[in-house]
Amino acid sequence: TQLLEQSPQFLSIQEGENLTVYCNSSSVFSSLQWYRQEPGEGPVLLVTVVTGGEVKKLKRLTFQFGDARKDSSLHITAAQPGDTGLYLCAGAIDSNYQLIWGAGTKLIIKP
Amino acid sequence: NAGVTQTPKFQVLKTGQSMTLQCAQDMNHEYMSWYRQDPGMGLRLIHYSVGAGITDQGEVPNGYNVSRSTTEDFPLRLLSAAPSQTSVYFCASSYGLGGTYNSPLHFGNGTRLTVT
Repeated sequence: TQLLEQSPQFLSIQEGENLTVYCNSSSVFSSLQWYRQEPGEGPVLLVTVVTGGEVKKLKRLTFQFGDARKDSSLHITAAQPGDTGLYLCAGAIDSNYQLIWGAGTKLIIKP
Repeated sequence: NAGVTQTPKFQVLKTGQSMTLQCAQDMNHEYMSWYRQDPGMGLRLIHYSVGAGITDQGEVPNGYNVSRSTTEDFPLRLLSAAPSQTSVYFCASSYGLGGTYNSPLHFGNGTRLTVT
């Protein structure tokens, strides 16, 4: 069974603080995606990382793909209430049509 | 551009009833899929389709049927609802296969189903 472990499951912090969310697996992925989901809506793609060691930035969000392409992290600098949501990671394996999903990190940023 | 449209948004069923969750996309995507989302378990794939007339099972297909007669529509049928099927259901589509690098998934806004 292929697993993608996401941590922490829940995080509540004050506006302005920094945070990091992790996705870890024993499987090697051809690519890994990060989605954000707001209440009552479907997940929306934030970024896709493909190359081992790759770093992508999206304003205050920094995404990194591990060198071995087994893990990834999402770092948010100076979190804002608008960052509140459920963050999901999903890994793709070329030989399989099915994405491997993490269970999600529920993030709450308090003003 | 509507994207992926799911109906209904909410539904309550009694055990044993059947129903169809509707999903339509207007992006001419070949790949469509159904997921269920339960607390602490992430998204689990129920069924998927790589094109009209082609469907296949995902991780949790039991109790659900699908068909794909057109590129646009991919309905999910619950044959005899059970309390274990209480969940939020999401339909997703992509241009290519299953959310790979060149083909991110586009999700609908979900159907919240309660089976009593």
